[in-house]
Amino acid sequence: KNEVEQSPQNLTAQEGEFITINCSYSVGISALHWLQQHPGGGIVSLFMLSSGKKKHGRLIATINIQEKHSSLHITASHPRDSAVYICAVRAYNTDKLIFGTGTRLQVFP
Amino acid sequence: DTGVSQDPRHKITKRGQNVTFRCDPISEHNRLYWYRQTLGQGPEFLTYFQNEAQLEKSRLLSDRFSAERPKGSFSTLEIQRTEQGDSAMYLCASSLGQEGNTIYFGEGSWLTVV
Repeated sequence: KNEVEQSPQNLTAQEGEFITINCSYSVGISALHWLQQHPGGGIVSLFMLSSGKKKHGRLIATINIQEKHSSLHITASHPRDSAVYICAVRAYNTDKLIFGTGTRLQVFP
Repeated sequence: DTGVSQDPRHKITKRGQNVTFRCDPISEHNRLYWYRQTLGQGPEFLTYFQNEAQLEKSRLLSDRFSAERPKGSFSTLEIQRTEQGDSAMYLCASSLGQEGNTIYFGEGSWLTVV
């Protein structure tokens, strides 16, 4: 079992829909990252969380440390949101990130 | 500031050849990371540096892999005697010091071993 699990693996949506991507992890962490990866490879950091909730534009990320669970929400989805969304955690006493396998999102007009 | 840059972006090599990738981090960043990503998978940790010191190395990194960061600025990742299983994207990332700071990724270097 992977230390970081994401669901769903693939997600399709119509433009305007509300999207939720989930991440569960099994290790103690000091931080959790949500990342976006476009075709061709480049990865962009969206959020870094250690508690609570953060919002940036149409993106919202939440984390529940007790439940070891985080969600990424996209409101009013748009075709330009189509990408792979990756959850990664920084475990205690280490500086490396442990990544989930990603959720491939396609938003159709 | 041009972000994290990696070179080359694409490399095709014959099995058994050596390849070297270079990463230039964001200039004031003292931490530099190498990850490997295969199709359909999330990145896997390979190694990381704080300044010129290599602080952690994954068991994924066989003896054929070596990474250096000689002056605490750019880093190189060398793969000797490449095998087809080495085909992957090699990602470099950097961050500034402490826990809690954003990590910035390069565009990756794609390696195909034929």
